[in-house]
Amino acid sequence: AQTVTQSQPEMSVQEAETVTLSCTYDTSESDYYLFWYKQPPSRQMILVIRQEAYKQQNATENRFSVNFQKAAKSFSLKISDSQLGDAAMYFCAYNEDSGAGSYQLTFGKGTKLSVIP
Amino acid sequence: DAGVTQSPTHLIKTRGQQVTLRCSPKSGHDTVSWYQQALGQGPQFIFQYYEEEERQRGNFPDRFSGHQFPNYSSELNVNALLLGDSALYLCASSFRAQPQHFGDGTRLSIL
Repeated sequence: AQTVTQSQPEMSVQEAETVTLSCTYDTSESDYYLFWYKQPPSRQMILVIRQEAYKQQNATENRFSVNFQKAAKSFSLKISDSQLGDAAMYFCAYNEDSGAGSYQLTFGKGTKLSVIP
Repeated sequence: DAGVTQSPTHLIKTRGQQVTLRCSPKSGHDTVSWYQQALGQGPQFIFQYYEEEERQRGNFPDRFSGHQFPNYSSELNVNALLLGDSALYLCASSFRAQPQHFGDGTRLSIL
């Protein structure tokens, strides 16, 4: 079974600084997708960024970027110019390619990010 | 453009009762997945519905069942509620498999 590990239960960053959240995963598949979701206290799980495993180029979305290391099975999230609104739980998630017959998202346990003014 | 909507937002039940949670997917989405999120944990996959059929199921007992309607909306039913069923229940929708977009969830409390 696929597993996703987030080794940092809590992180903090000064406003306007940069922070990196870590994620590792275990899979025997070669085609899959990786995601970072943000969950503020309002509860809604918000998709931050997505990475397709077959793409070598790291995904970026404005201030959010990833460092995808397929051989190391590592998928870290970098948040630049941190803002107070970035404070939330961040979940790393894995999804096999649908051709493998599995459609579920497998989540890590999350990292709680605090932003210090 | 309405996103994923779930109802109710909060529900209180007692042990042994039955509950039904509802989800309307985002416009254009045809697939609905349900997740259970215990306090302080990541979401756990319950099952996914596509074309009105359960396409995949996670490691949950038969007390958890669901349904998808022709308009793609979905229900999650839980029978014989246990204290351990207290959690946030998240619905996610997608066009085909992914990416999955989530609703605000239903907070279920069992007394």
